[in-house]
Amino acid sequence: DGGITQSPKYLFRKEGQNVTLSCEQNLNHDAMYWYRQDPGQGLRLIYYSQIVNDFQKGDIAEGYSVSREKKESFPLTVTSAQKNPTAFYLCASSRGEAGGYTFGSGTRLTVV
Amino acid sequence: GIQVEQSPPDLILQEGANSTLRCNFSDSVNNLQWFHQNPWGQLINLFYIPSGTKQNGRLSATTVATERYSLLYISSSQTTDSGVYFCAVYTGGFKTIFGAGTRLFVKA
Repeated sequence: DGGITQSPKYLFRKEGQNVTLSCEQNLNHDAMYWYRQDPGQGLRLIYYSQIVNDFQKGDIAEGYSVSREKKESFPLTVTSAQKNPTAFYLCASSRGEAGGYTFGSGTRLTVV
Repeated sequence: GIQVEQSPPDLILQEGANSTLRCNFSDSVNNLQWFHQNPWGQLINLFYIPSGTKQNGRLSATTVATERYSLLYISSSQTTDSGVYFCAVYTGGFKTIFGAGTRLFVKA
């Protein structure tokens, strides 16, 4: 079955560490996205990518980096510059730009 | 930028009851989606509805784009309907804005 796989489900980061969250899709979607969700709040866009080797900053890109070397993969790195990284991170993909999203099951990141 | 407001923020229902969730948006949008986030965090696309009415089983949605609102109807609610319901509007250029959600708890 087609879908989006995020790993790991839970991730613990020490202060000052960089960590990378994985997102893989087999839906043949061109666009991929990373969202951050804080408790009791909606989703905020971190980065998105329309096509391979291209990506754009979203509303809260500071302290994050991404790459899009393959159509299927869009990893997110949470760098030490992100001062408050504890959150739930969701990856999504879509065929075009107007939505119709499919979401992964998320990664819960905690700073220890 | 565009504002997306959902109401009510929280809702508790007895199993079998009906409910209406509302999404207001402050400007014209190209598209609107409703999502359900289950207690484990998984988001499922319920409706892709820029205008008009759609139905899927016990759920239906109506968007009146000219008046800038959308409604999600849940009939004969079940405990598995619990979770958070998000409205998300597409404004162009790969930007989709999510509301803060309506948290629904259905009691057995």
